[in-house]
Amino acid sequence: DAKTTQPTSMDCAEGRAANLPCNHSTISGNEYVYWYRQIHSQGPQYIIHGLKNNETNEMASLIITEDRKSSTLILPHATLRDTAVYYCIVRVAWTGKLIFGQGTTLQVKP
Amino acid sequence: DGGITQSPKYLFRKEGQNVTLSCEQNLNHDAMYWYRQDPGQGLRLIYYSQIVNDFQKGDIAEGYSVSREKKESFPLTVTSAQKNPTAFYLCASTMGQGGGSTEAFFGQGTRLTVV
Repeated sequence: DAKTTQPTSMDCAEGRAANLPCNHSTISGNEYVYWYRQIHSQGPQYIIHGLKNNETNEMASLIITEDRKSSTLILPHATLRDTAVYYCIVRVAWTGKLIFGQGTTLQVKP
Repeated sequence: DGGITQSPKYLFRKEGQNVTLSCEQNLNHDAMYWYRQDPGQGLRLIYYSQIVNDFQKGDIAEGYSVSREKKESFPLTVTSAQKNPTAFYLCASTMGQGGGSTEAFFGQGTRLTVV
């Protein structure tokens, strides 16, 4: 199963873009990249996912490199409520398993 | 509203007792999952089920058991064989048995404390 690697923590100023990187160098061609976030003691919240094209929704943008070995989640205008642990996850094809890494703790500061 | 419900939110048990955590979904999802989360750690997969009456072990299945008799329900039993059961337990569900293009929905978790 493909694994993901993320920085342990990051800071971002309120109102600025937060760029969260993820490495998934062993990803297979039919495995999707998902991003979730978790606020303390709650269930993870879905943000966005993609296969190979860049994706955008009302919450964020996902940029996947052409070789698909890494991706970046972009929160365009971070707010204090975006402070959370962000998980980059590979969804295993056929089984549908979600393999979580350690995540990145994003601290948005005023 | 459709969603996934875990109960109870907090659960206390004495050491050596089995305890069952409930997970119910009304999303008509085929697949359901159980994860364990320890303080400051990511989620680790315990068991998952892609279809009724079938389930597979995840990475840390020892000391746990599950059943999937109904599509909407996937209860997790923490047995006395689980050496360190105190943790935050999360249940999730996805539409479809595999592939990768559908998001997972998570419950709000059950915090189990064994004393």
